[in-house]
Amino acid sequence: TQLLKQSPQFLSIQEGENLTVYCNSSSVFSSLQWYRQEPGEGPVLLVTVVTGGEVKKLKRLTFQFGDARKDSSLHITAAQPGDTGLYLCAGEESSASKIIFGSGTRLSIRP
Amino acid sequence: DAGITQSPRHKVTETGTPVTLRCHQTENHRYMYWYRQDPGHGLRLIHYSYGVKDTDKGEVSDGYSVSRSKTEDFLLTLESATSSQTSVYFCAISETYSGNTIYFGEGSWLTVV
Repeated sequence: TQLLKQSPQFLSIQEGENLTVYCNSSSVFSSLQWYRQEPGEGPVLLVTVVTGGEVKKLKRLTFQFGDARKDSSLHITAAQPGDTGLYLCAGEESSASKIIFGSGTRLSIRP
Repeated sequence: DAGITQSPRHKVTETGTPVTLRCHQTENHRYMYWYRQDPGHGLRLIHYSYGVKDTDKGEVSDGYSVSRSKTEDFLLTLESATSSQTSVYFCAISETYSGNTIYFGEGSWLTVV
């Protein structure tokens, strides 16, 4: 089973700082999604990227899909306490039509 | 929010007992999934369904069975619960298998003692 590795696993920063989390694999993905999950709830989709090199912005969140479609990053500008949560990436493997999830990055923003 | 209801939301059961988790959707989506979420492992697919009575195994299907007798209902059964099946279980739905948004339920917390 191909793995989607997310880094860092945990991140605690001060409100107002910037951060980047990463999602890496040796597999090529036809699409990649980012989800955010809050305690006691299910994951909620933030964005889907499908084209190598694609960049999507969602307010202070910037998502990028790697040129080779094997990796992705999520950059948050001026983090706020409301950004706290578990961020999961999920990739659809091109060769197997199979969706796999990363283990997540747990983000904590201190006021 | 997608109309997905999981029951029970919390359950404590003893080793060796059967357990059934229920997922009900009101979106008429074709695909339904059961995932488990454990620290350090992310979400792992147990079984999924692509139509009434059409199901297939995911990556961690051992010890679990599923049934889908109606479009809106997807049941996950642990025939004989073990402590290793203590986890949070999420039901999810999507219109198609690939390239589509997956909507998750709120989760069912299962503890096997």
